[in-house]
Amino acid sequence: QLVLTQSPSASASLGASVKLSCTLSSGHSSYAIAWHQQRPEKGPRYLMRLNSDGSHIKGDGIPDRFSGSSSGAQRFLTISSLQSEDEADYYCQTWGTGIQVFGTGTKVTVL
Amino acid sequence: EVQLVESGGGLVQPGGSLRLSCAASGFTFSSYAMSWVRQAPGKGLNWVSAINGGGDYTYYADSVRARFTISRDNSKNTLYLQMDSLRAEDTAVYYCAKSNDFSSSSPADYWGQGTLVTVSS
Repeated sequence: QLVLTQSPSASASLGASVKLSCTLSSGHSSYAIAWHQQRPEKGPRYLMRLNSDGSHIKGDGIPDRFSGSSSGAQRFLTISSLQSEDEADYYCQTWGTGIQVFGTGTKVTVL
Repeated sequence: EVQLVESGGGLVQPGGSLRLSCAASGFTFSSYAMSWVRQAPGKGLNWVSAINGGGDYTYYADSVRARFTISRDNSKNTLYLQMDSLRAEDTAVYYCAKSNDFSSSSPADYWGQGTLVTVSS
């Protein structure tokens, strides 16, 4: 079964970095994922597609502060130089034939 | 500029029906798969349904299969979701999302602002 696992929360100080993880279920370690940001009371926003080799393609207008990396079944989103507007929920998404799956989301708090 | 504008949400009684629409602009609509994703109050994102660019392949989450029908009119650049036999647990904000490929086996790269569906007596 295709499942994505995310930690429920993360926090870091203004100007610091935070690294979020998204883990693919057993047997699916080669899958690409996408990262999405959802600010409070807003619709989601696509950040990037992240492949198993760590290569990633960012969406329109996504700052260089957002980067992705991969290790085995884990996919990471790193936000550098944290700003107050980065306080949001972050969801990973993956897909297969006839199915799409979202992780449960990680709430990022900027201290 | 890509724009996705959902409409059709509202209050409906359990067992009732509702049709959501998503008007798309700023891209060649027929070249891309589209999806519906919902978010119950205070909860995370959940995929509901997807359709490929040609409209001939459709997919559903188990929770809505046989109750919801996704369709598209490429001449009108509009995506639809017909929702029948609605239940309280279908209460959510429904988002329309554009995929970055003709096939629905691809990530969402643009999202609408959402429309709220409330199922309650």
